[in-house]
Amino acid sequence: EVQLVESGGGLVKPGGSLRLACVASGFTFSDYSMNWVRQAPGKGLEWVSAISSRSSYIYYADSVKGRFTISRDNARNSLHLQMNSLRAEDAAFYYCARGGPYCGGGMCLLDHWGQGTLVTVSS
Amino acid sequence: EIVLTQSPGTLSLSPGEGATLSCRASQNIIVNYLAWYQQKPGQAPRLLIYNAFSRATGIPDRFSGSGSGTDFTLTISRLEPEDFAVYYCQQYGSSPPITFGQGTRLEIK
Repeated sequence: EVQLVESGGGLVKPGGSLRLACVASGFTFSDYSMNWVRQAPGKGLEWVSAISSRSSYIYYADSVKGRFTISRDNARNSLHLQMNSLRAEDAAFYYCARGGPYCGGGMCLLDHWGQGTLVTVSS
Repeated sequence: EIVLTQSPGTLSLSPGEGATLSCRASQNIIVNYLAWYQQKPGQAPRLLIYNAFSRATGIPDRFSGSGSGTDFTLTISRLEPEDFAVYYCQQYGSSPPITFGQGTRLEIK
C-alpha cells in the first residue's frame, strides 16, 4: 500500500523558515516524480513544486519561486520542502503527492496523496 | 498557464439522484490529461478519474468521466451519502504549472 507521511509543519513568524518532510513507503520511491500541493484552510488546491525521480528536473509555482526549495533523498525515501521568507499567504496544509505514470510537459497526474501538514504563518 | 473553471460552484442534490459536474479549460488539454479528485472535510484529495475517463483503482462505477479538448464532465449516477464532498478537476498536460479548478461543492439537499 502506498503511504506518504508529511511532517515538519508548525507556527512560524513572517520572514521565518520551515522545512517540511514527506516519507514514502509501499512503492519504489526512486521511480516516481514527487510534488508538493498546498491548500489554505477553506480554500482550493494550489500546486507548489515538483521534482523528477532523479532530481534532474525541478519546477516551482511562481508564487514560491526563489523562496522554496524542493529536494529528495532516494536512499531514505524522503521528499523535502525548504520554505524561506515565509509570508502570511503561505499558511496552508501542505500535501506531498506522488507523480503518476501520465505526464505532459513535465507535469504528472497526482495519484497518491499524504494527509498533509499544517503551516501557520503569524506574528 | 491553463485556467480551469468548474461549474456549478455548489450543487444541492438528494441521495439517489444523478450529478453532473463541469470543468472547462482555457486552452486545449493535450492528450486529455485531465483528472478529477474528491475531497472530504479533514481529508486529503483522492484520485477518482484520470486521463479524462479512466477510473482510478477502487473507484465505484457510478463515477464516470467524459469530454475532450476544453470541456470535461464528471458524472455521478445514483448519489450515495458518502459522495457528498468537494470535487476538483486538474490538468497535467502542459508545462508548469499543474492547475486545479476552484472546486464544486456537492451538498445534500
